[in-house]
Order: sequence, then structure tokens, then C-alpha cells
Amino acid sequence: KQEVTQIPAALSVPEGENLVLNCSFTDSAIYNLQWFRQDPGKGLTSLLLIQSSQREQTSGRLNASLDKSSGRSTLYIAASQPGDSATYLCAVLTMDSNYQLIWGAGTKLIIKP
Amino acid sequence: DAGITQSPRHKVTETGTPVTLRCHQTENHRYMYWYRQDPGHGLRLIHYSYGVKDTDKGEVSDGYSVSRSKTEDFLLTLESATSSQTSVYFCAISARGTYEQYFGPGTRLTVT
Repeated sequence: KQEVTQIPAALSVPEGENLVLNCSFTDSAIYNLQWFRQDPGKGLTSLLLIQSSQREQTSGRLNASLDKSSGRSTLYIAASQPGDSATYLCAVLTMDSNYQLIWGAGTKLIIKP
Repeated sequence: DAGITQSPRHKVTETGTPVTLRCHQTENHRYMYWYRQDPGHGLRLIHYSYGVKDTDKGEVSDGYSVSRSKTEDFLLTLESATSSQTSVYFCAISARGTYEQYFGPGTRLTVT
């Protein structure tokens, strides 16, 4: 059974720093991996989608990598800003999950001005 | 942003009453999902649909039913609401091929 873990559960860094959020999964037979952002009291916003055949995706200051063999993905945020403060969730779609995403518990990120 | 709306956005209801939440999409995506989000439990899938009239259960489907009579609409019904169904409900859609999921704004339901 696929399990997704995000460590740390919370992270606080000063503004301007580059940072990395981690996501690990137990079954390498994934279809894709998706990173989301959720602001307090709001819905989820899709940030990046990495297909199983891809190694990374970039959008602005965000870069997500995927290493299926080690069961890991990282979300790199460059030059962090207070507006980046949110909870970041990763989720994987596995081959046998009937198109259901398996979710990590999220990392709550606080960027201090 | 993906064209997904949810209605109502907020609802307070009494135990034992029926409640229907609506999800509407303008993207013509094949797949639609209903999740609930609760502190300490994260996102949990209730039901999903892979086409008109084609639905299946998720991990927390007890007490919920769904219907999809048109591509654009996916309804979630609580036949007899209970306090344990107080939650934030999210609808999501995805297209065949990429399966990238896009979420609606959510409905905050309180059952008193």
C-alpha cells in the first residue's frame, strides 16, 4: 500500500532564503506526483505536476524534482517571500489506485519578514 | 484557474436533515472527486466519478451518496446529516491523460 510522508511537518525560515520541502513515497510505481499549496481557510492550488517519466518541473521560483528509484520528490523554493507562507502538500497517483491520489500530511511553511 | 465552483460555500444544518452539495465545472473534464478535510486527518476521498453516471466509493463513503447526470455537475448528498460530517468539503476535477487535479474553493458544512 502506497504511503506518502512529508518531513518536516512545519518549517520557519527568514525571508530571502532558498528552501527545500521533502516528500517521500513507498511504492515507486507511480503515474505522477503533484505538489499543492493551501492557504489557511482556502482551497488547494496545484503548483507543479511531474509525470513518472520526468525528472523535474519548474514554474517561476519553484522547482520540483522526482527520483522514483529512491521514492523521493523535493520542492525547491528560491528567494522565499512572506507570501509563500502556506501549507504545501504532495500527492502521488499510483498505477493501481483507481485514479485516486495518495496524500502526504503537508509541511506548514512560515516565511518571516 | 480551473473553472470549478461549489455551492453553497457555507452551510449550517441540523442533525438528521438531508444536505446536497453541488460541484460545477466548465472544463469538460472526465473525472470529478469529492473530498473532506478535517484537522488531523488531512484530505480524504469520499466518492469519485469517471464519467456520467459512473461513480465509485472512496475511503470514507459511509453516509454519503453522489450523482453525476451531466459532465459538468457532481452532487454530494448527505442523506441524514450527523455531527461527524461537520467538515470542509472540496470538489476536484482532472482530465484523462495527465490526471492533474484542480480543486474548487470548498464548502464549509456545520451540522449542529
